[in-house]
Amino acid sequence: EAGVAQSPRYKIIEKRQSVAFWCNPISGHATLYWYQQILGQGPKLLIQFQNNGVVDDSQLPKDRFSAERLKGVDSTLKIQPAKLEDSAVYLCASSDGTSLPNEQFFGPGTRLTVL
Amino acid sequence: GNSVTQMEGPVTLSEEAFLTINCTYTATGYPSLFWYVQYPGEGLQLLLKATKADDKGSNKGFEATYRKETTSFHLEKGSVQVSDSAVYFCALTPNYGGSQGNLIFGKGTKLSVKP
Repeated sequence: EAGVAQSPRYKIIEKRQSVAFWCNPISGHATLYWYQQILGQGPKLLIQFQNNGVVDDSQLPKDRFSAERLKGVDSTLKIQPAKLEDSAVYLCASSDGTSLPNEQFFGPGTRLTVL
Repeated sequence: GNSVTQMEGPVTLSEEAFLTINCTYTATGYPSLFWYVQYPGEGLQLLLKATKADDKGSNKGFEATYRKETTSFHLEKGSVQVSDSAVYFCALTPNYGGSQGNLIFGKGTKLSVKP
């Protein structure tokens, strides 16, 4: 079974530029999560989707971050414009939502460096 | 609010030494508790979990017991190997309302095992 795929693996941009990350969850997984992991810290949830609807985006900085999951499968996370403090690893995870507690399966992450 | 506190790293041990990584939590209700592991260059993987008080999660020689009276979920292994070198994250998911499945992570503890 293929795992969670993310691209790109690495991205370097200058502040005020825009960037987008892509995630393909495990086939059949209805729930998709985006986390931000700043160096030396644990991952922090940015947004959670159930199919193509948003369940929780309370920690998403909506003035610059946006995310979508139009067909309930792939998802994109966008930052526009980027700030220095956005340098982090962005992790995508998915779960099937049928077990309690849900086991989340993580992708390898996208490491973003903002200069 | 909900939070996880785990011991600061890095932790350096010799092969076959005993490992303990402390984790305590603050949560409303009855959370589920997890340990995730992140090997160098790889994504987060679930190591073990426990869903109620006095449950013991175990996997690959690692164990952790859900202690509600001390709000703790310490990770232990009797004899570590070089291949156990990784970053270990303690996490919880609150089991109430719409927040089920939202993982809250500690900061992570880096373990290095020397031959």
